Amino acid sequence: EPEVTQTPSHQVTQMGQEVILRCVPISNHLYFYWYRQILGQKVEFLVSFYNNEISEKSEIFDDQFSVERPDGSNFTLKIRSTKLEDSAMYFCASTPERTDTQYFGPGTRLTVL
Amino acid sequence: DQQVKQNSPSLSVQEGRISILNCDYTNSMFDYFLWYKKYPAEGPTFLISISSIKDKNEDGRFTVFLNKSAKHLSLHIVPSQPGDSAVYFCAASNVIQGGSEKLVFGKGMKLTVNP
Repeated sequence: EPEVTQTPSHQVTQMGQEVILRCVPISNHLYFYWYRQILGQKVEFLVSFYNNEISEKSEIFDDQFSVERPDGSNFTLKIRSTKLEDSAMYFCASTPERTDTQYFGPGTRLTVL
Repeated sequence: DQQVKQNSPSLSVQEGRISILNCDYTNSMFDYFLWYKKYPAEGPTFLISISSIKDKNEDGRFTVFLNKSAKHLSLHIVPSQPGDSAVYFCAASNVIQGGSEKLVFGKGMKLTVNP
């Protein structure tokens, strides 16, 4: 069964450093998402992406964040200058249609020191 | 922001019995509801969904009930199995009527099924 994959599973970085989190969505899916979950808190929406454009972003998704689909398979989330409060699990999700189920990857645990 | 609420943090049931997980929402624009299951160190796994035009959806041991007037949904698992032990998330969006497809999640509820 096709799955969303994410790399790395765990990323440790110093405050102020740039990180890139990578996702490979399910191959025939067209809509892509990033969510995050800070420890002990809810899963929160960050951004949705379709047709090489951001469709919607949350208040969390400020100028420090960017997303890209650099080729036909990868979908990346970049944080330019990490802060301590960016420490969280980051989940990628994809779906073939807007109204269809979103399928999630296993997540990347980001630790900012 | 408490648009989706799962008020009980945990539930413990015996194997073979029914598990009932509850979820309340406040945004009347929500028209699509999903349940996800999550194991530690894994991503949310889709279980079952329901759109606001229905009041019940069934898939094997899992049934979701939607009460729009009460803004309440519930997930029934019958019979419960030890492998069902996980954290269950309720999520909602208003994508069906052309609104946002972003999912708004509850805090989750830990289900433990005892052998």
